[in-house]
Amino acid sequence: DGGITQSPKYLFRKEGQNVTLSCEQNLNHDAMYWYRQDPGQGLRLIYYSQIVNDFQKGDIAEGYSVSREKKESFPLTVTSAQKNPTAFYLCASSIYLRAGELFFGEGSRLTVL
Amino acid sequence: DQQVKQNSPSLSVQEGRISILNCDYTNSMFDYFLWYKKYPAEGPTFLISISSIKDKNEDGRFTVFLNKSAKHLSLHIVPSQPGDSAVYFCAASRAPQGGSEKLVFGKGMKLTVNP
Repeated sequence: DGGITQSPKYLFRKEGQNVTLSCEQNLNHDAMYWYRQDPGQGLRLIYYSQIVNDFQKGDIAEGYSVSREKKESFPLTVTSAQKNPTAFYLCASSIYLRAGELFFGEGSRLTVL
Repeated sequence: DQQVKQNSPSLSVQEGRISILNCDYTNSMFDYFLWYKKYPAEGPTFLISISSIKDKNEDGRFTVFLNKSAKHLSLHIVPSQPGDSAVYFCAASRAPQGGSEKLVFGKGMKLTVNP
């Protein structure tokens, strides 16, 4: 079945360590996105990519990095520069010219110890 | 500055009754609105949308109403079922075309439907 796969589902990290969250989609969507959700907050856009080898900063990109070497993959690295990395991270994809109808993965919960 | 507001954090209704979830927005340039549903530890799923050229859109038990003059939209669920218990996010965009990076999400509202 087509969909978006995020891994790992749960991740623990020590302060000062970088961690990479995986996101793979087989929906043949051009656009992919990373969001962060904090308790009582809406979804906030970290990075997005409209095509391979291109990506743009979202509203809260500081302390994060991404790559888009393949259409299917859009990994997110949470660096040690991110001051408050504990959160629920959601990857999504869409047909680019259909704003809003995002397909989300199941999310990855990162906890910094 | 919160452009999309879901002022009530939670709502509890009885099974079979109507659930009404409200959303207000401040940016008059928004003209495409969506509702997403999210279960715990899962990603949100798209529920229903409405363009500003309409004031109502219906899909089964779900209906979204848009009042552009009041900058207000609401999601009605009739009849409510226990499986509808989830967090509902309202989102808005300036246009249905273009990228989803233009989406602005509200903080969400937790709906509980009691058997």
